[in-house]
Amino acid sequence: DVKVTQSSRYLVKRTGEKVFLECVQDMDHENMFWYRQDPGLGLRLIYFSYDVKMKEKGDIPEGYSVSREKKERFSLILESASTNQTSMYLCASSLLPGAGQPQHFGDGTRLSIL
Amino acid sequence: AQTVTQSQPEMSVQEAETVTLSCTYDTSESDYYLFWYKQPPSRQMILVIRQEAYKQQNATENRFSVNFQKAAKSFSLKISDSQLGDAAMYFCAYRGNQAGTALIFGKGTTLSVSS
Repeated sequence: DVKVTQSSRYLVKRTGEKVFLECVQDMDHENMFWYRQDPGLGLRLIYFSYDVKMKEKGDIPEGYSVSREKKERFSLILESASTNQTSMYLCASSLLPGAGQPQHFGDGTRLSIL
Repeated sequence: AQTVTQSQPEMSVQEAETVTLSCTYDTSESDYYLFWYKQPPSRQMILVIRQEAYKQQNATENRFSVNFQKAAKSFSLKISDSQLGDAAMYFCAYRGNQAGTALIFGKGTTLSVSS
């Protein structure tokens, strides 16, 4: 089975801090994704990557950046955390090619910015 | 741009009964994929079922089936013989047929199951 591991289940940080959320997958997937999940808004795509060192902006990239130095790891960075970034963050991965490939999700990181 | 709409924020069903969750989408593409994902409370999101747009036959996975109406751009999920473990948030998702594209999700439907 595919395993997508997010480094923290719960995280509390302060405004202005630089925050790193880590995601690792063990199935050699090309695609990796970061979503944000908020009540009543569903999942919104922040960034995705289809190859090492490649990244594409999603719907809500402002205030975030990403890093993909190795195929198995995709990091989400909050450059200067703000309270409106308090949310659940979900990482996912999938194979290339083929849009029909399902995405496999991690357990999520519930991030609180105080 | 593609959009996915789930018009039912909450649904409820009794054990052993059948429930249908609605999903509509908007796209100008002719080839795409549709998915239903399940997210149990405080647990990982998992794939329930997948439908290829070029296939006319509705997908089925055990107690889960879809009613795919391409012309109407409708993709509903039917859960038969509902179980307590089916209680979760369900997300409908769309993905265009291009490499490197991401899923577009609806806002979700919370399903509660009572005994």
